[in-house]
Amino acid sequence: EAQVTQNPRYLITVTGKKLTVTCSQNMNHEYMSWYRQDPGLGLRQIYYSMNVEVTDKGDVPEGYKVSRKEKRNFPLILESPSPNQTSLYFCASSTLPGQVPSGANVLTFGAGSRLTVL
Amino acid sequence: ELKVEQNPLFLSMQEGKNYTIYCNYSTTSDRLYWYRQDPGKSLESLFVLLSNGAVKQEGRLMASLDTKARLSTLHITAAVHDLSATYFCAVDIELSGNEKLTFGTGTRLTIIP
Repeated sequence: EAQVTQNPRYLITVTGKKLTVTCSQNMNHEYMSWYRQDPGLGLRQIYYSMNVEVTDKGDVPEGYKVSRKEKRNFPLILESPSPNQTSLYFCASSTLPGQVPSGANVLTFGAGSRLTVL
Repeated sequence: ELKVEQNPLFLSMQEGKNYTIYCNYSTTSDRLYWYRQDPGKSLESLFVLLSNGAVKQEGRLMASLDTKARLSTLHITAAVHDLSATYFCAVDIELSGNEKLTFGTGTRLTIIP
């Protein structure tokens, strides 16, 4: 089954304790992205990647790191989490629009990871 | 900076009624997407609109795109309870050679029996 898998789904941690949220897709997608969802703010992009070893900042990258060493994996790293990073996080992937006849960029989302930082 | 605004943010409507959700965006684009999110779930693609005047329909939902007005609408016809969800629009532009997809704030729709 084509899917984006995130882990963990739920995590409660404390300020300053480094954590990694993993994301893996099995669709051979070039494009991967991380979003955070907060009430009243919709989805905001944290980082995205157009291909292996190619990453770039989204709208809210502060406090986060990413890496793309393999095509299928795109982990999100919080080096020193703070309470304002308490949120619902989504990983998503897609084929690059230039490689799709329609030019569409339709994302497949993971199930989400709810993170609480105390 | 691309801004994508949806209204209303919250909508309660009775079963059987019609209503429209609006999505306005600030920069020229001819690629707009609608996603649905059920409570506690992830987002799923609903519609892909790729040109001015595009109209897509599935069941009781119909989406349209007016690129000149920078406006997309999601129309609900004769609402039923299982349409209760949060609906997001997202606009796609190319920025410095990269794809930039910006989401609206979402519209939480509640259908009341």
